[in-house]
Amino acid sequence: DQQVKQNSPSLSVQEGRISILNCDYTNSMFDYFLWYKKYPAEGPTFLISISSIKDKNEDGRFTVFLNKSAKHLSLHIVPSQPGDSAVYFCAAISNQAGTALIFGKGTTLSVSS
Amino acid sequence: DGGITQSPKYLFRKEGQNVTLSCEQNLNHDAMYWYRQDPGQGLRLIYYSQIVNDFQKGDIAEGYSVSREKKESFPLTVTSAQKNPTAFYLCATRPAGRSGANVLTFGAGSRLTVL
Repeated sequence: DQQVKQNSPSLSVQEGRISILNCDYTNSMFDYFLWYKKYPAEGPTFLISISSIKDKNEDGRFTVFLNKSAKHLSLHIVPSQPGDSAVYFCAAISNQAGTALIFGKGTTLSVSS
Repeated sequence: DGGITQSPKYLFRKEGQNVTLSCEQNLNHDAMYWYRQDPGQGLRLIYYSQIVNDFQKGDIAEGYSVSREKKESFPLTVTSAQKNPTAFYLCATRPAGRSGANVLTFGAGSRLTVL
C-alpha cells in the first residue's frame, strides 16, 4: 500500500505562472517531508523540506505547505520557469521509526515559454 | 571532488547473468541506500545500510544482494533471480546526526538493460 501518493502524474504550466504540486500521505508517523527534483538519466536533487512541527517553509521561488490534519503537502513554484521542467518527487520519513525515505511516484512538470 | 560515484553509467546484461553495480562515496556519510526507478513507479527502496557490516532489506529486495564492508562502498548485485532487472538504479547517502540527517544525496545513477 502506497504511503506517499502523488496523484497527478503530470502538470503543464505556462512560464511565469504558479506551479502547484500535491502530495498525500497515509502514515501519521511521518515527521519530515522533502521534495526532490529529477532530470532524465540523472540522480534526484534535493529541493526543499519541511518538518512536521511547521506548516510552511520557503526558499526563493519554492514554498512547501504542510497540512497535517489532512495529511497533505504541496510544493508551490512561483514564478515557474522552463528550467523547472522535471519530475518532482515527494518523500517522507519517520525519524522515530528510523526508516528510510519513502518516495511518491512523481509528478512530471512541464513549463512552456 | 566530493560526492557519490556510481559505475558503470550504462550496463547491458544477458538473462541469467549476475551483475554488480558500484557505489562509492567520499562524503563520510554513515548511511547508504539503493533505490530503483521504473517509469511511473517512482523510487523504490531495495536495500539500505546505516553502518558498516550491517544492512536491511527495503521494499523490493528479492533478487538483489548487497555488502557493506567499508564505509565508503555499498555495491549492489543484481542476481539472475531478479525477474525484471531492467531499470535505473540510484545510490544515495545520508549523514548521521541531526543536521541535514533527513536529506539523501543521490548519485547520478546506473542504467541496467537486460537483453
